Amino acid sequence: DGGITQSPKYLFRKEGQNVTLSCEQNLNHDAMYWYRQDPGQGLRLIYYSQIVNDFQKGDIAEGYSVSREKKESFPLTVTSAQKNPTAFYLCASSIDGGTSGSDTQYFGPGTRLTVL
Amino acid sequence: SQQGEEDPQALSIQEGENATMNCSYKTSINNLQWYRQNSGRGLVHLILIRSNEREKHSGRLRVTLDTSKKSSSLLITASRAADTASYFCATAGGTSYGKLTFGQGTILTVHP
Repeated sequence: DGGITQSPKYLFRKEGQNVTLSCEQNLNHDAMYWYRQDPGQGLRLIYYSQIVNDFQKGDIAEGYSVSREKKESFPLTVTSAQKNPTAFYLCASSIDGGTSGSDTQYFGPGTRLTVL
Repeated sequence: SQQGEEDPQALSIQEGENATMNCSYKTSINNLQWYRQNSGRGLVHLILIRSNEREKHSGRLRVTLDTSKKSSSLLITASRAADTASYFCATAGGTSYGKLTFGQGTILTVHP
């Protein structure tokens, strides 16, 4: 099956702990994205990566970190510096980050993070 | 700030009726996309319309784009209970290749 997987589906964290959310894709896509979604809201971009070993901050990067060491993997770490981390986190990928004119993004099933 | 603003925030209709959702945006775009999200799930791409297109169809979906008014609409014809979901518009614009800016979404409920 081709697609994007995220794990875990549910994650609970104590205040002051760092946690890492996994995102893997086997679509051979160059670009990957992390979004945060709060209840009743749209998606806000945290980080994105258009190619391996490169990534840029999105609109709400503070308190988050990422790495892109492999094309198929784009893990997101929610650090203790993120003041309000409870949210639904969505990972997405696209073929080439829009350089070919196709910006369609394919989404994983999401991880719901709750801070206790 | 959010690029897309969607209207209405919530829409409740009966099966068989048409559903129309609107999206407005602020800056120039390369394309506008519509996505669907079932509760607690990821988003699914529905349709993409480029800035030089005015209308596009896909099955029961019809999307229009008016760049002079910076607005788009999504029409779902002959709705079904399975169409119940949140619908988001997303814009890709300027030199922000690949980056999408999402609206806050319209929650559609279709009653059987």
